Amino acid sequence: EIVLTQSPGTLSLSPGERATLSCRASQSVRSSYLAWYQQKPGQAPRLLIYGVSSGATGTPDRFSGGGSGTDFTLTISRLEPEDFAVYYCQQYGSSPYTFGQGTKLEI
Amino acid sequence: EVQLVDSGGDLVQPGGSLTLSCAASGFTFSAYWMTWVRQAPGKGLEWVANIKQDGSEKYYVDSVKGRFTISRDNGKNSLYLQMNSLRAEDTAVYYCARGPLYHVYWGQGTLVTVSS
Repeated sequence: EIVLTQSPGTLSLSPGERATLSCRASQSVRSSYLAWYQQKPGQAPRLLIYGVSSGATGTPDRFSGGGSGTDFTLTISRLEPEDFAVYYCQQYGSSPYTFGQGTKLEI
Repeated sequence: EVQLVDSGGDLVQPGGSLTLSCAASGFTFSAYWMTWVRQAPGKGLEWVANIKQDGSEKYYVDSVKGRFTISRDNGKNSLYLQMNSLRAEDTAVYYCARGPLYHVYWGQGTLVTVSS
């Protein structure tokens, strides 16, 4: 099973700032099968990025994904008030399709 | 509009059983793999199981193998998760999601609480 470790656990920033979230895999993620989700309290997760860097429909341009192998990042170029939430990475290259433990982005 | 509506969550005693349902609409249900994902209170997401379009292939996370069964009824556009021998650590919000890999569409979740 591939273990995904996200860092930091909590990131405190202000609107307008740049956020960089990290996701490290215990082994190489096959075929760049990595996704990022945003989750707000009481809501289901929302897909932001798939295939490491492809934006899902409706994902604002300020969100971008990158990385390869075992190290991946989600970058939010300029934080908007609605971006403060919990973010999860997920690998879907090897079953079971595991998630990271999440990064909480707080104001 | 794609909709997934989860139901069936309840308070159940350890060792008990429960069946969750997910009613799908707005798309051709029989054309898609479907998945269950769960989230323990205050914790992260955990992939639980998925099922192929015709039900011929099913995969489970090790922690539920032999206790949970995923199934579907394409005629009723519905996905199910039968859960037996429930444990306290199965307490979570259970979400159904469309697709086998990453998930654009999710249900709203249904809460399963395992406690005496």
